[in-house]
Amino acid sequence: GESVGLHLPTLSVQEGDNSIINCAYSNSASDYFIWYKQESGKGPQFIIDIRSNMDKRQGQRVTVLLNKTVKHLSLQIAATQPGDSAVYFCAETLGGYQKVTFGTGTKLQVIP
Amino acid sequence: DAMVIQNPRYQVTQFGKPVTLSCSQTLNHNVMYWYQQKSSQAPKLLFHYYDKDFNNEADTPDNFQSRRPNTSFCFLDIRSPGLGDAAMYLCATSRTGAVRGLVEAFFGQGTRLTVV
Repeated sequence: GESVGLHLPTLSVQEGDNSIINCAYSNSASDYFIWYKQESGKGPQFIIDIRSNMDKRQGQRVTVLLNKTVKHLSLQIAATQPGDSAVYFCAETLGGYQKVTFGTGTKLQVIP
Repeated sequence: DAMVIQNPRYQVTQFGKPVTLSCSQTLNHNVMYWYQQKSSQAPKLLFHYYDKDFNNEADTPDNFQSRRPNTSFCFLDIRSPGLGDAAMYLCATSRTGAVRGLVEAFFGQGTRLTVV
């Protein structure tokens, strides 16, 4: 069967609170970043993206912050709901469009 | 409506028996990717096609091959599956755009491969 995987970091949040998920990316040349949500048994689903010439972008209930100085991304989810429970991955593109490379995921658990 | 479709959702194959996973897309995207994802790990890029140009990752084993006969379809061939190849295999698409330069990758639901 599959080899034993790494233990994902887990963030537990009370329903209605705000969540902040952090990610360190690897390549200072990356110019486009994406947050994905992956529910159990499903493929990753796009949440929000940001280009390297921006430091903040807002969507519906979600905000992404980019700090290029320290190569750090964060995803903020406002008023977290049980349906937000999933694994969240940040991804970066290298060399333009081609290589969408994923960072280590974070498991978000929402406590009702 | 599903835009990136992977078949089958679950595949069981015997150790050493060649297996093919398929992916189709209705988005007319010019880039298609194959990722391998093991339990509690991030998806790992195996290779991608930019139009017909095949781009292999340096650490992708030779056991993994791919074909893209047309824009809509892409196949992942595992020539001799080992127990370590059991994983979720994800197909994704994206396209280059003149304005944005990149459109986010859309993923299929994946094929869960079991090797017995």
